[in-house]
Amino acid sequence: AQSVTQLGSHVSVSEGALVLLRCNYSSSVPPYLFWYVQYPNQGLQLLLKYTTGATLVKGINGFEAEFKKSETSFHLTKPSAHMSDAAEYFCAVMDVNFGNEKLTFGTGTRLTIIP
Amino acid sequence: ETGVTQTPRHLVMGMTNKKSLKCEQHLGHNAMYWYKQSAKKPLELMFVYSLEERVENNSVPSRFSPECPNSSHLFLHLHTLQPEDSALYLCASSQGAGVGYQETQYFGPGTRLLVL
Repeated sequence: AQSVTQLGSHVSVSEGALVLLRCNYSSSVPPYLFWYVQYPNQGLQLLLKYTTGATLVKGINGFEAEFKKSETSFHLTKPSAHMSDAAEYFCAVMDVNFGNEKLTFGTGTRLTIIP
Repeated sequence: ETGVTQTPRHLVMGMTNKKSLKCEQHLGHNAMYWYKQSAKKPLELMFVYSLEERVENNSVPSRFSPECPNSSHLFLHLHTLQPEDSALYLCASSQGAGVGYQETQYFGPGTRLLVL
């Protein structure tokens, strides 16, 4: 069974500092990996996804993530945090197993930006 | 409107009430989903519909009853809920679901439900 672990339920960074949100996954087959962001009182919005090909994936709002198979990781980064990045971030894995394309989500990481 | 919309945005109901949550997608997608988001827990997939047929039911209690009358609309009928059912209920849609589809899911803003 697939699973996702997000280390750190809360992360605080100063405005302008590097953002690093950690995600490790467990999957029996090569996975598709996703990062979603949830702003207060809103639904989830796709930031980026990895399916195949280049392991460094660029998303919206300056975020990127790198798929590292050897480490079973898909950490999310942004070089310089902005106040508008304050939100909850969810990592998700989808097993590429025909007939069972379910998203399994992590518990989320709440990102706080310190002025 | 564009994207995925959900109504109502907030709902308070007693344990003996019957209510329904509505989801509508304006993306031309063929698959729709209901998720439950509880505090400090991962999102839980409840139901998946593809081309108006249910393809997934993750052992959800029968007090939750989904309905998909067409590919643009999805309902979640609620009756005799329990306080532990209080959560944010999210609807999502994707181009397809099932064999061969690994499509991005687009989420609505959710309905925050409180059961008293």
